[in-house]
Amino acid sequence: AQSVSQHNHHVILSEAASLELGCNYSYGGTVNLFWYVQYPGQHLQLLLKYFSGDPLVKGIKGFEAEFIKSKFSFNLRKPSVQWSDTAEYFCAVGRDSWGKLQFGAGTQVVVTP
Amino acid sequence: NAGVTQTPKFQVLKTGQSMTLQCAQDMNHEYMSWYRQDPGMGLRLIHYSVGAGITDQGEVPNGYNVSRSTTEDFPLRLLSAAPSQTSVYFCASRGQGSGANVLTFGAGSRLTVL
Repeated sequence: AQSVSQHNHHVILSEAASLELGCNYSYGGTVNLFWYVQYPGQHLQLLLKYFSGDPLVKGIKGFEAEFIKSKFSFNLRKPSVQWSDTAEYFCAVGRDSWGKLQFGAGTQVVVTP
Repeated sequence: NAGVTQTPKFQVLKTGQSMTLQCAQDMNHEYMSWYRQDPGMGLRLIHYSVGAGITDQGEVPNGYNVSRSTTEDFPLRLLSAAPSQTSVYFCASRGQGSGANVLTFGAGSRLTVL
């Protein structure tokens, strides 16, 4: 079955550590790729997106993601995390021009002071 | 603009009861959708609509009905609630100028079915 896989369900790290969250998808053809973030008690917010062009995309709050087409991957990175980055992170794939997204299971990230 | 507004924020139902989760957006977005969020499963699409009068099923439509009589509103109906429908429900919308697939989410509605 076609899917979106996030490799880590829970990540715990200290402030200033580097973060990398893996995301792989199994769809062929053209896709739009997203990372959404959900801070505790809040709704989902768009962190960054990739439609085409430069495979390294930069988002808000110092996050970036790299699209590697040959690996069907769209990994999220941040060089130095802060306590305020504690949240759940979702990778999502869109295959149509409207808004139907397939989400990964999410990764809960806890940053300790 | 208020964005995407969902009501209620919290609801407790007994098995077999019916209820409607409301979703309204004031951005004149054509596309609206409902997702449910369950631990370890991410968000799964229930139903969606590409415009007034047009709805279609998503990944997990069973047990839910929707209608889209206006551009602004997209209510989700549970006709006979079951414990398996205990979840957090998110409404999301997208307009023509938003960029493909870029959704605006509501704050969510937490439903517990006993």
